[in-house]
Amino acid sequence: QKEVEQDPGPLSVPEGAIVSLNCTYSNSAFQYFMWYRQYSRKGPELLMYTYSSGNKEDGRFTAQVDKSSKYISLFIRDSQPSDSATYLCAMMGGGNNRLAFGKGNQVVVIP
Amino acid sequence: GAVVSQHPSWVICKSGTSVKIECRSLDFQATTMFWYRQFPKQSLMLMATSNEGSKATYEQGVEKDKFLINHASLTLSTLTVTSAHPEDSSFYICSARAGANYGYTFGSGTRLTVV
Repeated sequence: QKEVEQDPGPLSVPEGAIVSLNCTYSNSAFQYFMWYRQYSRKGPELLMYTYSSGNKEDGRFTAQVDKSSKYISLFIRDSQPSDSATYLCAMMGGGNNRLAFGKGNQVVVIP
Repeated sequence: GAVVSQHPSWVICKSGTSVKIECRSLDFQATTMFWYRQFPKQSLMLMATSNEGSKATYEQGVEKDKFLINHASLTLSTLTVTSAHPEDSSFYICSARAGANYGYTFGSGTRLTVV
């Protein structure tokens, strides 16, 4: 079992819809959770950073962490064509400063 | 805050030559920086951990003599691809963290093409 599972299947949604992304993980030591957006040929851009379980909201983005289920989510409200990108989940913890990444989800928002 | 600058953004070089990529933390000090490689439509693969003032730690399978890392100051790490070959063509990205209250910030990446 991989440390972080993220269904890489492309996701197409109409403009204005809610985009829902998620990752599961197996390492219970993970405490820090991140979501990144990556445009083609660019470095990943940090969208959300959360520590332990709970919700965090920033504008149209909401990140949720459920440590008991080892499950994290990212929601994008009122999606825009500019949100079309690959979204990567990443996490770390247990005294290890290395990030474990999901495979990434390609999201396409159709105008 | 927490900006990481990476240069160059793209480079083309001939086989056998060396290429240096710079990664700078602009508004924070980074005792540790990370270097990744990314192939098309794949996630990031950690190559090495760069430690200021000491030797880098390389991941299994990464040739340390080919990918030279220098972290001479708290704001600069460099990755030199030595004697580059076409199979070294890839997207290289660095990252660093400003502190425990921050996530990891990535540079904009360097697209290396070896011809």
